Amino acid sequence: SQQGEEDPQALSIQEGENATMNCSYKTSINNLQWYRQNSGRGLVHLILIRSNEREKHSGRLRVTLDTSKKSSSLLITASRAADTASYFCATDPGRSGGSNYKLTFGKGTLLTVNP
Amino acid sequence: NAGVMQNPRHLVRRRGQEARLRCSPMKGHSHVYWYRQLPEEGLKFMVYLQKENIIDESGMPKERFSAEFPKEGPSILRIQQVVRGDSAAYFCASSPPPIMNTEAFFGQGTRLTVV
Repeated sequence: SQQGEEDPQALSIQEGENATMNCSYKTSINNLQWYRQNSGRGLVHLILIRSNEREKHSGRLRVTLDTSKKSSSLLITASRAADTASYFCATDPGRSGGSNYKLTFGKGTLLTVNP
Repeated sequence: NAGVMQNPRHLVRRRGQEARLRCSPMKGHSHVYWYRQLPEEGLKFMVYLQKENIIDESGMPKERFSAEFPKEGPSILRIQQVVRGDSAAYFCASSPPPIMNTEAFFGQGTRLTVV
């Protein structure tokens, strides 16, 4: 599998349900970021979790990071139709003195929230 | 702050023509990164530039592709003699001088179609 690989590839749920997406990576990281991309649009940064953090919240989003398993999960609670989009995780390997921004993205999870 | 601005949003070129993609970073940002997204794929790093300096071009194809970020004006990604396989979405991101654990701000992308 490639660095920053999301699972599942596609997820379809009903409005109000929770959606969980997972991301696995191979090499050590400085931080891991989640992005959303609506069809044919640009990337929207959702949340960044540092390598020394285990969990982070932002509104209806909850991200966890397990560096021992090299995995992360993104939970969207009480989903809405407007959450329909592709979700990508991106790993930042970082380097001494600063991030090099050579982010490695996975192929994404396509989330469909049905009204 | 207008955010990262890319233009054009859509670009159609015939095989053999040149494509020029522009990226104006956020105000105060002196570092620019270009990524390419092929259909159904995640973003792939291409090049990292500071003003008047290429820092990392390890993701750039060896031929036909070049990038610059002059002292004045936007960053330019130039693709000479385009081929069908160059059809993709090209995203630019910017940041202030890299520090640990800060997010990258992405533009809306330029969708290049080679016919």
